[in-house]
Amino acid sequence: AQRVTQPEKLLSVFKGAPVELKCNYSYSGSPELFWYVQYSRQRLQLLLRHISRESIKGFTADLNKGETSFHLKKPFAQEEDSAMYYCALSVYNQGGKLIFGQGTELSVKP
Amino acid sequence: NAGVMQNPRHLVRRRGQEARLRCSPMKGHSHVYWYRQLPEEGLKFMVYLQKENIIDESGMPKERFSAEFPKEGPSILRIQQVVRGDSAAYFCASSPGQGRVEQYFGPGTRLTVT
Repeated sequence: AQRVTQPEKLLSVFKGAPVELKCNYSYSGSPELFWYVQYSRQRLQLLLRHISRESIKGFTADLNKGETSFHLKKPFAQEEDSAMYYCALSVYNQGGKLIFGQGTELSVKP
Repeated sequence: NAGVMQNPRHLVRRRGQEARLRCSPMKGHSHVYWYRQLPEEGLKFMVYLQKENIIDESGMPKERFSAEFPKEGPSILRIQQVVRGDSAAYFCASSPGQGRVEQYFGPGTRLTVT
């Protein structure tokens, strides 16, 4: 079955500390994975997709097929990074519907 | 480009009434997805539509829920005879298709059933 797991409901760090938001997936095919972010009172925004291998707002995420993980990392957290983060898997042969994790709330304290 | 539009943003219905949620995709996007987020849960896929066609409704409850995306006008998610358990945030997303799978989300409609 297709599944995305984000084990941490809340992650709290201090400004300047490294951040790692965990995401594990279960999918029999070749996965296409995304990170979405939702800032307070705003809509869900696409942050990263694994095939682009880019860094957005200092965040990176590497697909590890052996560990079936797609963890989101940032070396130095900023207060404006505080938001809800969702990891999502695109099921391409089913029209591209997204399977979401439960979300992790990141709180960056000053 | 105004992005994906949803209205209303908040909707209050009494048990047994009908709820209609609207979604206008981004300009040039012909693929629409609806997701539901229950309290304390992640987003769950409901239905995927292209213009005038339902492609995948595997996430839709079997009864009371329907969706359409007519040739003209917004996509509509309709919930008949609402119950308290339908209270949730409903998100619409659109995608350009043509091999591009990234989805762009609307602000959501928060439905409260009293």
